[in-house]
Amino acid sequence: QVQLVQSGAEVKKPGASVKVSCQASGYTFTSYSLHWVRQAPGQGLEWMAMINPTAGSTTYAQKFQGRVTMTRDTSTSTLYMELSSLRSEDTAVYYCAREGRFGDGESMEKLDYWGQGTLVTVSS
Amino acid sequence: AIQLTQSPSSLSASVGDRVTITCRASQAISSALAWYQQGPGKAPKLLIYDVSSLESGVPSRFSGSGSGTDFTLTISSLHPEDFATYYCQQFNSYPLTFGPGTKVDIK
Repeated sequence: QVQLVQSGAEVKKPGASVKVSCQASGYTFTSYSLHWVRQAPGQGLEWMAMINPTAGSTTYAQKFQGRVTMTRDTSTSTLYMELSSLRSEDTAVYYCAREGRFGDGESMEKLDYWGQGTLVTVSS
Repeated sequence: AIQLTQSPSSLSASVGDRVTITCRASQAISSALAWYQQGPGKAPKLLIYDVSSLESGVPSRFSGSGSGTDFTLTISSLHPEDFATYYCQQFNSYPLTFGPGTKVDIK
């Protein structure tokens, strides 16, 4: 079965960087795009970034341009999201999510599997 | 960026009630709209995609409709496990965006 298992909670100081991982299993890693979505405490969902695991090409929300880097390791089926210059407003649960695809590779325009979430707390 | 609004922002309902949540986009998004359910402390769960396609394993009491800029999620008869927050999301263009959410709680 498809699973996305994320790394554990992190506590960081303002100005630091954090790197969150998401290990995929149960499907062919390179066949599906992966996304990062975050949720601040008591707030809604905010899309951050997407990566095509085959080509490694990325698309980032303008809000995070220059601060976020999304990478993948195809040998371990692991996705990474690094966020730099952390500030208190970055305190949130970060989720990875898989984008569903048809057999021919076309997007089904849905996020069908989600990781369990990783809480990142930014505090001095 | 395409903005999504949802109404109501919250509602109180009873088990067995029919519930309708509306999502409006700031511009036409074709059929690239999905709905997610999120319980407290849990990851979002996909319910509906492509406006009205029911995700595998999701009960048939959930349905979606709409076109252009106006979309609806309907729960035909609320079950106890349906008390949660619901989000719409557009896949028409990047950046992907979510609605602000509708919290459904027990009356």
